[in-house]
Amino acid sequence: QKEVEQNSGPLSVPEGAIASLNCTYSDRVSQSFFWYRQYSGKSPELIMSIYSNGDKEDGRFTAQLNKASQYVSLLIRDSQPSDSATYLCAVNRGRPLQGAQKLVFGQGTRLTINP
Amino acid sequence: ETGVTQSPTHLIKTRGQQVTLRCSSQSGHNTVSWYQQALGQGPQFIFQYYREEENGRGNFPPRFSGLQFPNYSSELNVNALELDDSALYLCASSLGTRQETQYFGPGTRLLVL
Repeated sequence: QKEVEQNSGPLSVPEGAIASLNCTYSDRVSQSFFWYRQYSGKSPELIMSIYSNGDKEDGRFTAQLNKASQYVSLLIRDSQPSDSATYLCAVNRGRPLQGAQKLVFGQGTRLTINP
Repeated sequence: ETGVTQSPTHLIKTRGQQVTLRCSSQSGHNTVSWYQQALGQGPQFIFQYYREEENGRGNFPPRFSGLQFPNYSSELNVNALELDDSALYLCASSLGTRQETQYFGPGTRLLVL
């Protein structure tokens, strides 16, 4: 079983609709969860971080976390063609005594917004 | 723009050669993490440097080594290059406060022939 699993897609959504991206993880001690957006040929760009169960909203983006089900999702409302990219789910590995989180990434979901 | 820079942007090497990739962290950040991203895959953690010392390593062989300087910039060295080392190499900097978000540089694309 992979540590972080995402549906690789491609996921195709019409412009203006809600895009729903899902991610499951296997390490129950994980505490930090991130969604990154990556355009083709570019580096990952942070979209959202979430640490507590429930929803976190930022503009058109909503991250949802359910630690009991080991599940994290990203909703994109009013999808725009510029949202077409690969979305990477990342989860911290272990609890560092110092330094930063070591992130484990899923393979990414390729999202296409159709005008 | 994250303030994290990497050089070079692209590199072509042949099998068996050695390569050094460089990363300048965002101002004030003392932690640099390196990731390898193969085509169509998510980034994989190579290792992390915190205040000039290695602070954790992923499942990569010893021919992947690194360094962090007093100004917190960092180098990734790969010896005896193999074809499978062809990938996008990403560095990410952070404050090192455990929950702090990591910000990625633009990456170095390495092609091994």
